[in-house]
Amino acid sequence: DAGVIQSPRHEVTEMGQEVTLRCKPISGHDYLFWYRQTMMRGLELLIYFNNNVPIDDSGMPEDRFSAKMPNASFSTLKIQPSEPRDSAVYFCASSLGTSGYNEQFFGPGTRLTVL
Amino acid sequence: AQKVTQAQTEISVVEKEDVTLDCVYETRDTTYYLFWYKQPPSGELVFLIRRNSFDEQNEISGRYSWNFQKSTSSFNFTITASQVVDSAVYFCALSEARLTGGGNKLTFGTGTQLKVEL
Repeated sequence: DAGVIQSPRHEVTEMGQEVTLRCKPISGHDYLFWYRQTMMRGLELLIYFNNNVPIDDSGMPEDRFSAKMPNASFSTLKIQPSEPRDSAVYFCASSLGTSGYNEQFFGPGTRLTVL
Repeated sequence: AQKVTQAQTEISVVEKEDVTLDCVYETRDTTYYLFWYKQPPSGELVFLIRRNSFDEQNEISGRYSWNFQKSTSSFNFTITASQVVDSAVYFCALSEARLTGGGNKLTFGTGTQLKVEL
């Protein structure tokens, strides 16, 4: 079975440009999470969805960030406009169930560099 | 608020040595779950183990073992006879337990970089 798929794997862009990161969760999973990993702040949860509905976006840094999940098999994280401090690895993860017991399966990540 | 502390930022060992990674957590929940994830140099995060707050039985799985102690809020991870392939960053994580909605929102520690040398 395919795991969580993310694209692109690497993205280099210039400050001010729009960036869209994509994620396909594991089929059948009803939770989807977006994380950001930096040296300074470690792994941070940005937002998560349950059955395509955003549940908690308190980790989204500012209005420049937005996330959507139009259907059960696709989600996007958009940054507009991008800034150098947005440079990080962005992970998407998915899981099944609501109890908190089920592990999250992570995608390979998208390494974003904003020049 | 939940918090996970991994005080060891980096550990270096020689192959075949045993190594223990420490994790201390804080939560006001009475029911919660603890996880260990591994992040090898390739970058992906790999799930290793989970424990729920009602199960303090420690476990051994091959070269890996876990020591969960509620009294000290610790969930330590030990690799026996370490190998070069164990070199990675190891993250401890804590999640709330919700029966309705909420899901498994993970709080991660800052990670411990393990280097196993020949």
